[in-house]
Amino acid sequence: AQSVTQPDIHITVSEGASLELRCNYSYGATPYLFWYVQSPGQGLQLLLKYFSGDTLVQGIKGFEAEFKRSQSSFNLRKPSVHWSDAAEYFCAVGSITSGTYKYIFGTGTRLKVLA
Amino acid sequence: DTEVTQTPKHLVMGMTNKKSLKCEQHMGHRAMYWYKQKAKKPPELMFVYSYEKLSINESVPSRFSPECPNSSLLNLHLHALQPEDSALYLCASSQDVQGLNSPLHFGNGTRLTVT
Repeated sequence: AQSVTQPDIHITVSEGASLELRCNYSYGATPYLFWYVQSPGQGLQLLLKYFSGDTLVQGIKGFEAEFKRSQSSFNLRKPSVHWSDAAEYFCAVGSITSGTYKYIFGTGTRLKVLA
Repeated sequence: DTEVTQTPKHLVMGMTNKKSLKCEQHMGHRAMYWYKQKAKKPPELMFVYSYEKLSINESVPSRFSPECPNSSLLNLHLHALQPEDSALYLCASSQDVQGLNSPLHFGNGTRLTVT
């Protein structure tokens, strides 16, 4: 069955430090992968997506993610974190099951940024 | 700014009340979704409309009744809810429900409290 795992429930980094959020997926075919961010009381905002081609994907707000098929991973990175990046981050995979297209979300990683 | 607009932002209702949540998008998307999100959890899919027809109902209780009057509007009618239905209700849209490369665009949600 398709699944998405975000191993880290919470991550704390200092402002200006680098960031990597982990995402592992289980999907039989070529995955369609997404990272979303959710600030408190807000909806989810798309950061970036991977469908095919270059395995290093650039997104908004200075984020990037790298697709590694051999590791079934799609980790999100940012070289220098800003205090405004504190939020919940969700990895998601688009999948087709019995002809029905669905998004499967990971459980999320809450990022705290120290001043 | 989000391109999917949800009203109201907050709603408090008693268990005998009838209320409706509204969602609107003007991106020309043909798929619209309702998600329920409890605190510190990922969004859970409730309903999917494709070309104004209900295509997915994730075994949602009948006290939740979706409606898609046209391609830009999506409603969720609420009746006889329970306190455990209190959550953030998110509306989303995508270009095409069958498009694996069609990311979700979320509204900011309606924070529902059932008393």
